[in-house]
Amino acid sequence: GQNIDQPTEMTATEGAIVQINCTYQTSGFNGLFWYQQHAGEAPTFLSYNVLDGLEEKGRFSSFLSRSKGYSYLLLKELQMKDSASYLCAVQDSNYQLIWGAGTKLIIKP
Amino acid sequence: DADVTQTPRNRITKTGKRIMLECSQTKGHDRMYWYRQDPGLGLRLIYYSFDVKDINKGEISDGYSVSRQAQAKFSLSLESAIPNQTALYFCATSDLVRDTGELFFGEGSRLTVL
Repeated sequence: GQNIDQPTEMTATEGAIVQINCTYQTSGFNGLFWYQQHAGEAPTFLSYNVLDGLEEKGRFSSFLSRSKGYSYLLLKELQMKDSASYLCAVQDSNYQLIWGAGTKLIIKP
Repeated sequence: DADVTQTPRNRITKTGKRIMLECSQTKGHDRMYWYRQDPGLGLRLIYYSFDVKDINKGEISDGYSVSRQAQAKFSLSLESAIPNQTALYFCATSDLVRDTGELFFGEGSRLTVL
């Protein structure tokens, strides 16, 4: 079966750095997405990786290793507004998105 | 105004009732999707449509039906609602031309079935 694993919850301190991991086992691979979802709101796109390596976008970076079935989202200089759930999703061989359950990130002052 | 609009935003209904959730978009995208989100689970695809004449079942289509009335409108129906259909429902769109796969979500419709 297809599976996306990510931690259920993480806690970090304002101003610090946090890394949210995602491992996947899917039928084929056509890209990996990270979305941010604030409580009660819609998910919004953060990043897309299809090749191995690091993609940097401001305070957020996303890394992919296809051979290991692994990705991480790195958030730097954490702000209180970064408190949200972070969803990992993989596009399989049919270009269907398989979603992880999300990681709830709690930022403390 | 939101690019992807869902109505109603909240609905409480009773078992056995028919419910329709509506979605309209101003992004001009061809592809539209309906997902449900439950606590502790990932988003699950109910139905998707790549154009007005194309409707496809997702992984959890049983108990649901859809209608693509126009490029901009995609509605989801629960023919006879049951309590385990209580969930947060999202409509989403994506761009066929650019085909990045990025989804644009509506604000969600919270449905409670008693």
